[in-house]
Amino acid sequence: NAGVTQTPKFQVLKTGQSMTLQCAQDMNHEYMSWYRQDPGMGLRLIHYSVGAGITDQGEVPNGYNVSRSTTEDFPLRLLSAAPSQTSVYFCASRGIAGTSYNEQFFGPGTRLTVL
Amino acid sequence: GQQLNQSPQSMFIQEGEDVSMNCTSSSIFNTWLWYKQEPGEGPVLLIALYKAGELTSNGRLTAQFGITRKDSFLNISASIPSDVGIYFCAQGASGTYKYIFGTGTRLKVLA
Repeated sequence: NAGVTQTPKFQVLKTGQSMTLQCAQDMNHEYMSWYRQDPGMGLRLIHYSVGAGITDQGEVPNGYNVSRSTTEDFPLRLLSAAPSQTSVYFCASRGIAGTSYNEQFFGPGTRLTVL
Repeated sequence: GQQLNQSPQSMFIQEGEDVSMNCTSSSIFNTWLWYKQEPGEGPVLLIALYKAGELTSNGRLTAQFGITRKDSFLNISASIPSDVGIYFCAQGASGTYKYIFGTGTRLKVLA
């Protein structure tokens, strides 16, 4: 199993550009989520999904869109990048039920800089 | 957004020393989680706690779910260089899928 994979690993954008951060998992997990990590702020939830076709907002959803057309993939779209979106983005997944109910697996992160 | 108060923010310790860090919240939740993040990587779950008073160990790591359900601590005994990283606490409420993360404790171990 590859676990949770994210691409790209690094990205530089200009203000106003749009892009999609990719996330995929091969563990057949129902739940997937996106976090951003900023210095001194910990991890903040952007959007999450509890299954294909179902998404919901987290703490900081503004400026981001998500969709979940398959169990495996959960892309994050930046509609019009702003310098405030410079951050490290982590995708995570976990199963809904089972012995590892709360074990959330994180991807390696995407480091995004918006100029 | 709401965040957990985690302390200390950073620690520099000698190899072999014990380490203690804690997390407090103004709200009551049903789950406490402790994660470790190494440079350039995503967080990895260390310990999960599910009820007040619970004390759980994972090797040299021990964590407790506070009786008031508003705090938790993580201890690392006999630290080694590979313990270096950022340790995060997180809280989750039953019936939701949202976790709130602390701001992290950055640990450095001097050989």
